[in-house]
Amino acid sequence: NAGVTQTPKFQVLKTGQSMTLQCAQDMNHNSMYWYRQDPGMGLRLIYYSASEGTTDKGEVPNGYNVSRLNKREFSLRLESAAPSQTSVYFCASKAGVSYEQYFGPGTRLTVT
Amino acid sequence: AQRVTQPEKLLSVFKGAPVELKCNYSYSGSPELFWYVQYSRQRLQLLLRHISRESIKGFTADLNKGETSFHLKKPFAQEEDSAMYYCAPLNYGGSQGNLIFGKGTKLSVKP
Repeated sequence: NAGVTQTPKFQVLKTGQSMTLQCAQDMNHNSMYWYRQDPGMGLRLIYYSASEGTTDKGEVPNGYNVSRLNKREFSLRLESAAPSQTSVYFCASKAGVSYEQYFGPGTRLTVT
Repeated sequence: AQRVTQPEKLLSVFKGAPVELKCNYSYSGSPELFWYVQYSRQRLQLLLRHISRESIKGFTADLNKGETSFHLKKPFAQEEDSAMYYCAPLNYGGSQGNLIFGKGTKLSVKP
């Protein structure tokens, strides 16, 4: 099992450009999550998907959109990147409510 | 809304010293709490959860409902314990129980 995979690992964008971060899990988990990690701010939830076909906003959803393509895949899209979106992005998944969240390796995004 | 506080951004101890990483939460019911750890250049991973009442890598965490705390403790710190530690209670208000992560404490264990 690869667990949770993310692509790309690194990305540099110019202000106004768009891009999609990809996430996939092979553990048959129902729930998937996107977080951003910033120094001194910890992990903040951007969007989550409780199950295939549903998505909900987290703490910091502005400037992002998501798609739960199928049970395996959950993508995060930046339509018009801004320097404030420079961050490390983590995808995670879990099987059920009280279960462990499994994290991907992260994508380091820089917006200039 | 539920909140979690990790008051120390950085905690520095010497090898062999005891270590305690503090975590306080706000929830009046029976919370479920987790500690996650991120070693340098690695992904976040679960360290322990309070319902398991287990000791992982020598770490333990006791839930104190009176003080609403879930501090992480280890009697003798090792250099390999240097990492970022996040306390995370389960948010019962969200669908499927999302985790609320604290801002994290960076533990540095010096030789």
